[in-house]
Amino acid sequence: DIVMTQSPDSLAVSLGERATINCKSSQSVLYSSNNKNYLAWYQQKPGQPPKLLIYWASTRESGVPDRFSGSGSGTDFTLTISSLQAEDVAVYYCQQYYTTPLYTFGRGTKLEIK
Amino acid sequence: QVQLQESGPGLVKPSETLSLTCTVSGVSISSYYWSWIRQPPGKGLEWIGYIYYTGSTNYNPSLTSRVTISLDTSKDQFSLKLSSVTAADTAVYYCARVRLGATPYDAFDIWGQGTMVTVSS
Repeated sequence: DIVMTQSPDSLAVSLGERATINCKSSQSVLYSSNNKNYLAWYQQKPGQPPKLLIYWASTRESGVPDRFSGSGSGTDFTLTISSLQAEDVAVYYCQQYYTTPLYTFGRGTKLEIK
Repeated sequence: QVQLQESGPGLVKPSETLSLTCTVSGVSISSYYWSWIRQPPGKGLEWIGYIYYTGSTNYNPSLTSRVTISLDTSKDQFSLKLSSVTAADTAVYYCARVRLGATPYDAFDIWGQGTMVTVSS
C-alpha cells in the first residue's frame, strides 16, 4: 500500500497570510510514461463532503480560487493557500490514485485562523 | 449539474448487512467509474471500492471479503452491500465519481452529501 503522510496535523494561520500543507507518499506517484503525478488535494468543511481542489498534483479544478496551488513531484507534495480567507477553514486531505485497487488518503490537516 | 445522492438505513445491527444506494442525476451512469468511500466519525477517508459502468469492480483489499458493489444502469444507480458489520463500520458513507470516464486512475470530482450509518443493536 502507498501510505500518505501529511504534516502538520493542524495549522493556524492569520488571515491574509500563506498556509502550507505537506504530503509525502511512501513511494513515488509519478508515472514516468506521461510525467504525471497521480495526486489530488481535497478540502472538507464540517458537515460537508470533500471537495476536489487540485489533481495531477498541480492542476486546479474548475472554479477553485487561484489562491490555491499545488506543487511537488515523486513523493513530496505541497498545497499552498497564498492568502488565507476565512472560508478556507477546513480539513485538507491529499490522496494518491497511482495504484488501484487501493486509493489512499492522508490523515488530514486541520487549518484554522490564528 | 451532476449530483449524487446516497440513500439507505441509518442504523444497522451488528452482524447484519449494510445496504446503500447512490442515485446519479445530471449525467448517465455509463462511461464513468463510481466509488464508495467512508469516513468514521472524526477520522479520515477510506476508499471502499469502485464499479465501472460495464459492471467490473475493484475493492479495498481490507474489505473485499465483505463488500459487493453493483449497478443498475436503467435507474442510474449503484449500490453498496457490506456484510457482517461491526461497530467499526460506523461511518459517513459517500458515493463519488472518478473524474474522467476512461480510467480509474484519477481524482474524485463529484461527491454525494454522505449518509451516516451507525452499527448498533
